[in-house]
Formats: sequence, C-alpha cells, structure tokens
Amino acid sequence: AQSVTQLDSQVPVFEEAPVELRCNYSSSVSVYLFWYVQYPNQGLQLLLKYLSGSTLVKGINGFEAEFNKSQTSFHLRKPSVHISDTAEYFCAVSPPFLSGSARQLTFGSGTQLTVLP
Amino acid sequence: NAGVTQTPKFQVLKTGQSMTLQCAQDMNHNSMYWYRQDPGMGLRLIYYSASEGTTDKGEVPNGYNVSRLNKREFSLRLESAAPSQTSVYFCASSPGTEIPSDYEQYFGPGTRLTVT
Repeated sequence: AQSVTQLDSQVPVFEEAPVELRCNYSSSVSVYLFWYVQYPNQGLQLLLKYLSGSTLVKGINGFEAEFNKSQTSFHLRKPSVHISDTAEYFCAVSPPFLSGSARQLTFGSGTQLTVLP
Repeated sequence: NAGVTQTPKFQVLKTGQSMTLQCAQDMNHNSMYWYRQDPGMGLRLIYYSASEGTTDKGEVPNGYNVSRLNKREFSLRLESAAPSQTSVYFCASSPGTEIPSDYEQYFGPGTRLTVT
C-alpha cells in the first residue's frame, strides 16, 4: 500500500516570492507521482506528473517538481507566485499497472497556499 | 467536450433520506471513480469502476452503493443518509489503459452534500 504525507497544511507567502510545497510518500514499489490543484469551489486539475525519465518535471502555470527517490519526496516549487495561485494543492501517488484494475490514486491531505499582496 | 459532469451541485438531506449522485463523462474513458473530500483529509476513494460492468470498493465504501450504468455514467447512492456523510463528493474518470501517461484522472466540479 502507498501513503502520502504533505507536511504543511497551510503555506502563506507574499506575491512574487518563491514557494515550495512539500510531499513525501511511502511505497514498497515504484510509483507514479502527481500534483493536482483545486481552486475554490472547483474540482481538481492536474498540475504535473512524474512517470519516468528526468527527475525535474515542469507543469502548468510555471510550477515544477523534483522527484527524489532516495528521499521519497516530490516537492512542488514555483520561483515567483501570483495572487491567482491561491488554491489547495494535493500530492498523489499511483502504483504500477495491475491488469484489470483501475489506476487508483492515493492523495495527501492537501496544502492550502495563500498568496498575500 | 464537457469532460466530467456531476449533478446536483448542492444538496441538503435529512438523516435517513436517500439520494443518488449522478456522474457522466464524454471522454470515452474506461475507468471511473467516486471520492469524498473532507477538511484536512484530502480525497478518499469510495468506489471505483475499472471498466464497464465492474465495480470495486475503495477506502471508505460503508453507507454507499454504486452503479456503472454504461461506459459514460457512474452513479453513487446513499440509501440512508447520516450526518457523517456530509462532505464534498467528486467523480473522476481516467482512460484506464496500461499506458503510464493515461494514469491521469479527470475530475468533475463536485457535489456539496449536507446531511442534517
């Protein structure tokens, strides 16, 4: 089984400052990793994903994340945030394909990013 | 394409009432999912359907039933609502193939349910 820990439930940051949202996972097998964003009163949309290859993954809206296998981490970063980045961010993991099964995601508890003017 | 749609958007129930949450996707996806979202707990999987004709329990299935009506539609039923089922419910779908890039799930806008 997999589990995901998002170490910070709330992260306030001033506009144009850099931000890092932390995510650690545990799994006995290799996993695929995802970051989703949820804007107020909306569903989740994918920011970026790590499947294989380069450990630095770039996503939408200027976000990027780095997969670190030895630290079992997948932290999300943005060099300069905007007011419009205020949202809740979820890290998720998915185990490798199992024939006949759905591709289940296990989510972390979420990090509320609030960008202050 | 509308993507994943959910109805209703909001619902208030009294304890013991029943209701069905509807979900449909127009992306020809094989797999569909129901999650509930509670503050500080992220999203927890209630039920999922790997493909048309199959359904399986997720992490928190008690008090719920599902029906995969056809490839497009996946409904969630609360037979006797309880205050503990007050939550935001999300439906999602994914292509459901072996290709890793198809692991992404696409989410609907959610249903906000209050049980009094």
